[in-house]
Amino acid sequence: RKEVEQDPGPFNVPEGATVAFNCTYSNSASQSFFWYRQDCRKEPKLLMSVYSSGNEDGRFTAQLNRASQYISLLIRDSKLSDSATYLCVVPRAGGTSYGKLTFGQGTILTVHP
Amino acid sequence: GAVVSQHPSWVICKSGTSVKIECRSLDFQATTMFWYRQFPKQSLMLMATSNEGSKATYEQGVEKDKFLINHASLTLSTLTVTSAHPEDSSFYICSAPWGSGETQYFGPGTRLLVL
Repeated sequence: RKEVEQDPGPFNVPEGATVAFNCTYSNSASQSFFWYRQDCRKEPKLLMSVYSSGNEDGRFTAQLNRASQYISLLIRDSKLSDSATYLCVVPRAGGTSYGKLTFGQGTILTVHP
Repeated sequence: GAVVSQHPSWVICKSGTSVKIECRSLDFQATTMFWYRQFPKQSLMLMATSNEGSKATYEQGVEKDKFLINHASLTLSTLTVTSAHPEDSSFYICSAPWGSGETQYFGPGTRLLVL
């Protein structure tokens, strides 16, 4: 299993739709997880952090299933501005891994009118 | 506002030349910074860890003699792509961790095109 693996996508949804992405991780010792959003030709920006079972922020909900080692991101009432690549990110574990992040390959979301 | 800057934002160079990219933390000191590379339609891949006061550490498969890293001060790390070739064309992004390391500030990236 890859360290971090995401739904291949791409996802094309109409405005107002609900869409969910999944991400699996291989290191059972991982304690924290992140969803980043990356717009074309830009740096990634933090969308949500997940430390326990889940997190909710407005239209965005992230859930963590430690037993199955996956994290999901749910976007409700999609907006055109949600179109971006969503990156699942897991910090590396271990003593020499301070600050090192492993990125999933990303899932492309396109929201159309 | 931006807390990590990169310069230049884009650069075009001829094959065989060297290119230097700067990464600066603007409002905080960063003893550690990271350099990532992103090829088209791929995700970010960690290249190396830049350490102030000591040598950089490189990820497996990244040539340290080709990608020279210098952490000159607590707010500046530079990545020099030596003898650049077209296959080095990519989006280079630096980041600086904060606190426990789980908060990361990313620079805006540098787009390199080698002709």
